[in-house]
This record gives sequence, C-alpha cells and structure tokens, in this order.
Amino acid sequence: DVVMTQSPLSLPVTLGQPASISCSSGRSLVSSNGNTYLSWFQQRPGQSPRRLIYQVSNRDSGVPDRFSGSGSGSDFTLKISRVEAEDVGVYYCLQGTHWPDTFGQGTKLEIK
Amino acid sequence: EVQLVESGGGLIEPGGSLRLSCLASGLTFSNAWMSWVRQAPGKGLEGVGRIKSKTNGETVDYAAPVKGRFTISRDDSKNTLYLQMNSLKSDDTAVYYCITGDYGRWGQGTLVTVSS
Repeated sequence: DVVMTQSPLSLPVTLGQPASISCSSGRSLVSSNGNTYLSWFQQRPGQSPRRLIYQVSNRDSGVPDRFSGSGSGSDFTLKISRVEAEDVGVYYCLQGTHWPDTFGQGTKLEIK
Repeated sequence: EVQLVESGGGLIEPGGSLRLSCLASGLTFSNAWMSWVRQAPGKGLEGVGRIKSKTNGETVDYAAPVKGRFTISRDDSKNTLYLQMNSLKSDDTAVYYCITGDYGRWGQGTLVTVSS
C-alpha cells in the first residue's frame, strides 16, 4: 500500500497568518492516464470530512480561495493564505491513484 | 444537491454481523462508483472498499483488514449502497461513512460499536 506521510501533525497558527501542510507518498501518484489523484480534506470538530481540493490543485465548489493545493509526483502541499477561526480542524491528504486508496495521518490545525 | 444518508449502525458483540445501508439522492446513482470509509474513535480515516458502477462491471475492491469479512453491494433500483459486515472484531469499531467514489460527497456517518 502507498503510505501517505503528512507533516506537521500539529499546526498551531495565529489568526490571519498563513499555514502549510505537506504530504508525501512513497511513489509517484501520476496515473497511467496522466492525472494525479491527490486530494485534500478538512474535518471540522464533530463533522464529516469535506473535500477541499482534488487532483492536486482543483478547489471544490464553495471552498474559499484562501485554500490552495500544489505539488507533483510524490510531494504535495496544502496552503491556507490567511487562517480564519473556521479553519480549525484536522486536514487529511488522500491518494487515489494506487488501490487501495490511502489517507495521510491527519494534521490538526488549531489557533494559537 | 447530493445527499447520502447512512443507517444500520449500533452495538454488536464480537463475532456478530451487521448490515449498513446508504440511501443516495441528488445524483444518478447507477452511474456512480461508491465507497465506504471508516474512522475509529479519535483516529484517522481508513478506506474500507468501493464498488464500481454496473457499466464498469460492478467490480468490488476491499481493503486488506476487511477482505473476506465485509461485502459491499448496491441496489440501483433503490439508490442504495450496502455494507454487510460479518465476523466483527473490536478493531472494527468506527464511524462508517458512505461516500461517492471520487470522495466528493460524504454522508453523516453511522457508528458501529463492537463490544461484549
């Protein structure tokens, strides 16, 4: 199975400041069709996860543009340009290129 | 709007069986690949398995921890996804989420507790 490694696992951030989460896989996530199936999810306390980003850098409908995804191959990043209070929660990356699909361990974002 | 509503969770003894259901609306269910993902209390997300659409052969793939014990199926006439869980263990205790195959839509989850 492809192991997805996130860092940091805990991310204290001051309101209005940027935040960045890294996700690394053990192998390339480029599919045979040329697409890279790397997604990012947000799970607020007590809620179901919500997809923010798909195929590395595509924002889902309704996701604020302060969220952005980047990367290629086996290294990826989720950035929040200015953290707001509603961003508190756990963030997960997911690879869907190689079955079984696998999630990262999660990064807990909190406000300092 | 896509809605996924899980049901069937509860308390079950080790070795027992349980069937979860997921009623989908707001999408062409018969064309959708569907998946189950679980989350143990206080832990991260873990894939359980997926089922492809009929046009893709309704192929089912499972994660290793549940292979041979869990069965995923679908009834397109009822817009419903199922997860049959047999030989349940304490490690299967989790919230089980029904999701669309692209992970774009998630249900609210249903809690399964395996305990004597």
